[in-house]
This record gives sequence, structure tokens and C-alpha cells, in this order.
Amino acid sequence: RKEVEQDPGPFNVPEGATVAFNCTYSNSASQSFFWYRQDCRKEPKLLMSVYSSGNEDGRFTAQLNRASQYISLLIRDSKLSDSATYLCVVNPAGGTSYGKLTFGQGTILTVHP
Amino acid sequence: GAVVSQHPSWVICKSGTSVKIECRSLDFQATTMFWYRQFPKQSLMLMATSNEGSKATYEQGVEKDKFLINHASLTLSTLTVTSAHPEDSSFYICSATPLLHSLSYEQYFGPGTRLTVT
Repeated sequence: RKEVEQDPGPFNVPEGATVAFNCTYSNSASQSFFWYRQDCRKEPKLLMSVYSSGNEDGRFTAQLNRASQYISLLIRDSKLSDSATYLCVVNPAGGTSYGKLTFGQGTILTVHP
Repeated sequence: GAVVSQHPSWVICKSGTSVKIECRSLDFQATTMFWYRQFPKQSLMLMATSNEGSKATYEQGVEKDKFLINHASLTLSTLTVTSAHPEDSSFYICSATPLLHSLSYEQYFGPGTRLTVT
């Protein structure tokens, strides 16, 4: 089983649509969780951290369910500029894993007019 | 703030030659830098963790004699791909954790270096 699994998509949605991405992780002791965005041939950029209480940043809402080891990202009112690959990222637990990030394979989103 | 640069941004080299990639934190100090590799349509895979003033820690399956890492200062880490072969062609990305934020896991990524070995 992969450490971090995502539905690779691709998701093709019209502008204004709401789209949700899911992610599961295998290490129940994982400490921190993030969503990154990566544009084609560019480096990943942090979109938002994910907290147990859930958090929202404008049109983006992230949720974490530790019991199910499940992370989600909801994008409302999709814009053309949201087209990118969305990476679910987990920091594994302790020891020599300190500071390391494990990336999911990414979910491709294309928003069309 | 928190800008990370990489040089070169792209490089084409012949099989058997060595290529050095630099990763610099421009406006902060970083005790730890990370080197990733990304093949087409795949996600980032951590290659090694680079610590200033000490030897790098390599992930399983990454040859330390082939991918030489030097973290000589708090703002510079270098990755040298020795005796490069076509299968080493990939997108190499570094990241850095600011010294003052060492208790968090936020990493800032460089723009990446696209290596093509012919």
C-alpha cells in the first residue's frame, strides 16, 4: 500500500463548479498534512495546511479525519487558474522522518470555460 | 520572503559526464535542505536529506556515490549527479526549511532543475 494515495483523475470541470479531492495515508502516527499545488513543469507550492478541526481559505476548504486517515480538499467556484495538479502531502511520524514530506501522486484538475 | 533558487534551471549533458546542481536559500538560513526527483507524470520522490555540516541521509534505493550532496553553508546545498546516464534524466527539486521554523514542517521549494542526459 502506498504511503499517500490519491485519485489521479483527471478531473475536468466547468468554471464555477465545486470539486472535491480525496487522499488517504497509511501511517496512523503521521503528524502534519498539507495540500500543495503544482503547475506543469514547475515546483510545488503550498496551498494550505490541514488541521483536524478543518480549515478554510477563501474558496478552498481542507478536512482531516484522523480516525479514517483521510484528507480532503474542496474547491468552490472553480476558476480557470485553478487548473493544476493537487498534491496531498504528509509528514511521517518522528525519528529520522523528522521534517520529511511524503507526496501523493497528485490529482490533475482542468477547469474549462 | 523564503525564496529558494536553483541553478541551473535546465541542463543537457552527455552520458558519462557529471552535473552539479545548486540550491540556495536567498533570504533565510536553512539547516536542512531536501532533494527530490520527479519523473514525468509521477510525484516527487525524496532522494536525500541534506544537513549543514554533516553527511546527507539518503533514502532507500538512492545511491550515495552517484548522487553526491554537499551542504557547506546554511544557505547552499549542492547535488552532483556523477557519471550521468539517460535514466537519470528527470526534474530535480530542492526544498529548505527555515532555521527559525525548524519545529514546523513547512518547506520552501526551489524552481527545479530539468536534467536531460543524451
